[in-house]
Amino acid sequence: GENVEQHPSTLSVQEGDSAVIKCTYSDSASNYFPWYKQELGKRPQLIIDIRSNVGEKKDQRIAVTLNKTAKHFSLHITETQPEDSAVYFCAAKSPHSGSARQLTFGSGTQLTVLP
Amino acid sequence: EAGVTQFPSHSVIEKGQTVTLRCDPISGHDNLYWYRRVMGKEIKFLLHFVKESKQDESGMPNNRFLAERTGGTYSTLKVQPAELEDSGVYFCASSPSPMATDTQYFGPGTRLTVL
Repeated sequence: GENVEQHPSTLSVQEGDSAVIKCTYSDSASNYFPWYKQELGKRPQLIIDIRSNVGEKKDQRIAVTLNKTAKHFSLHITETQPEDSAVYFCAAKSPHSGSARQLTFGSGTQLTVLP
Repeated sequence: EAGVTQFPSHSVIEKGQTVTLRCDPISGHDNLYWYRRVMGKEIKFLLHFVKESKQDESGMPNNRFLAERTGGTYSTLKVQPAELEDSGVYFCASSPSPMATDTQYFGPGTRLTVL
């Protein structure tokens, strides 16, 4: 089945700086890569996603890049703000996993933005 | 639009007892998923319903876990008897019909503590 590795596990940045979180996946057939943000005590919220036919996607201060050849994808947050502090999860969806709809998640990155 | 809801938000039980978690998906969503996050690790897939049918239960840890979705609306996940290693946060997610978006919408989770 699919396996997703996520790094780093913790990341501290100064407010205004950029943050980058990286994930690798194992199944070259994986075709959907969402990123979720989970603030303390709240539900995981989808913040951006990318499909395998696209190399990069941006939404205001966040962007995701996908390198299918290397099987890795990254989340980029620019001009970080204290409210960006949360746990971020990457995930991948493989057509070879069960019903082909389950998400395989990385282990999460605790991002702390220091004021 | 109401999001995915879960009940209870927290549950503390003793080893050997039974606990039932409930998930109400977004109205009209045929797909319902259960996931679990244990000890700050990755969010792991448990199973997937399409309406009332189990499409994929490859992630269920063992036969102490029983999930149902009678009528294709809300779902329950019963753990009987609970063991210490079952402690964690149980998330439910839902998504529209298979022909629609891949996006999965998560509930706030149930934090289960087995003493």
